[in-house]
Amino acid sequence: EAQVTQNPRYLITVTGKKLTVTCSQNMNHEYMSWYRQDPGLGLRQIYYSMNVEVTDKGDVPEGYKVSRKEKRNFPLILESPSPNQTSLYFCASSMAGGIYNEQFFGPGTRLTVL
Amino acid sequence: GNSVTQMEGPVTLSEEAFLTINCTYTATGYPSLFWYVQYPGEGLQLLLKATKADDKGSNKGFEATYRKETTSFHLEKGSVQVSDSAVYFCALFNNDYKLSFGAGTTVTVRA
Repeated sequence: EAQVTQNPRYLITVTGKKLTVTCSQNMNHEYMSWYRQDPGLGLRQIYYSMNVEVTDKGDVPEGYKVSRKEKRNFPLILESPSPNQTSLYFCASSMAGGIYNEQFFGPGTRLTVL
Repeated sequence: GNSVTQMEGPVTLSEEAFLTINCTYTATGYPSLFWYVQYPGEGLQLLLKATKADDKGSNKGFEATYRKETTSFHLEKGSVQVSDSAVYFCALFNNDYKLSFGAGTTVTVRA
C-alpha cells in the first residue's frame, strides 16, 4: 500500500530535550516536505527536499533541522524543543516537480513540549 | 510572496444544502491551486486541483474553477452529506516549490 508513515504519532517532551520525528514514504517520490498545523493558521511549511541531499527552508524553519540521506526518509529534528513548537506535524511527499502533483500526507504527529 | 486567504468558519449546514467556501490567493506567475480535505483524526488528502487559468477541478461532487482575473478558487458542492463534515484547505503551489495553505474552514453537516 502506497503510504507516508510518521513516528511517533504522539509525543510529550520537555524543553531542551532533543527529538526526532521520522518520516518515510514507499512511493519513490523525489519531493518531501514537513508542515506544522496550528489553529487559525492552517498548515505552514517548515522544510522541503527536492531530492536526496537537497533541502531548503520553507516559511517557518527556525528551530528545526532536516536531512535527506535516502530517498524514502526525511526526518525532522528539533535540537532544543521549546513550548512554541507544540503543534501537529505532517510529512508529505510527491513526485518530482511538485507543482502539478498531489502531495501525499502522513497521519500526523502531535507534539507537546512542556 | 505567496498567500492564500479562505473564508473563516466554522460553517454548519443541513444535509442537501449548497456549500461554498471562498478562496483567494496572491502569487506571482502561474501557480497551481488545490483543495485538500482533512477528516477528523486524519492527514490531509487531495480533493481536487487546477493547474492553469479557467481549469475546473472536480471530485466527489465538489468543483472549483481557477479564476485568474479574480485570483480565486472557490469550492462548491450542490448537495452536501453528513460524510462531507471535515476541514477544507485551499492551497497554492508555485514555481518556488513551496506549498502555501489557507487557514482551513471547518464544515459540519447535520442530518
